[in-house]
Amino acid sequence: NAGVTQTPKFRILKIGQSMTLQCTQDMNHNYMYWYRQDPGMGLKLIYYSVGAGITDKGEVPNGYNVSRSTTEDFPLRLELAAPSQTSVYFCASSTTGNSYEQYFGPGTRLTVT
Amino acid sequence: AQTVTQSQPEMSVQEAETVTLSCTYDTSENNYYLFWYKQPPSRQMILVIRQEAYKQQNATENRFSVNFQKAAKSFSLKISDSQLGDTARYFCAFKSARQLTFGSGTQLTVLP
Repeated sequence: NAGVTQTPKFRILKIGQSMTLQCTQDMNHNYMYWYRQDPGMGLKLIYYSVGAGITDKGEVPNGYNVSRSTTEDFPLRLELAAPSQTSVYFCASSTTGNSYEQYFGPGTRLTVT
Repeated sequence: AQTVTQSQPEMSVQEAETVTLSCTYDTSENNYYLFWYKQPPSRQMILVIRQEAYKQQNATENRFSVNFQKAAKSFSLKISDSQLGDTARYFCAFKSARQLTFGSGTQLTVLP
């Protein structure tokens, strides 16, 4: 049981490039989330999904897109990368949206130069 | 919108001593959940303790306990018998419906 896995661990992008951050969970969780963590700050919600085919915006969705075609996978797409997207990105999952804890992946450190 | 405030950016404590990390939050909701997460240098987010707002009894997990004051909207974390492995950034988080809102964190250093 690997939990939540993310790839890649690190990435450097040039301004204007695009990329997809991968996230997979093997716990059969319905809920999945993408967060970003800027230096010295807490996590902010980018997008979330309550099940396959259903996604919704979080607090900071601009510049990102997501899809959820399967229960296991929840990729995050960055189009036209900008320096403001330099951050650490965390994927998480949970059994429901209420009291249960969210399980986090190890994070992806992204630098846009 | 909910907000979570952690007013102590950095703290330190001697090994084996007790330390308390502060957290306040703002919400108009009555049913919600509060969490403390730990983020060591490895960057992994690890759940430390959870509190349901409808429960009056404060949650306890081994050396970790909370002081939950619902009327004051306060949720502090007490770490007893601090260990070197407790060195990490600690985040307070508020959860209602589907969204988890984090504070900015407190960097705790345990000194030998």
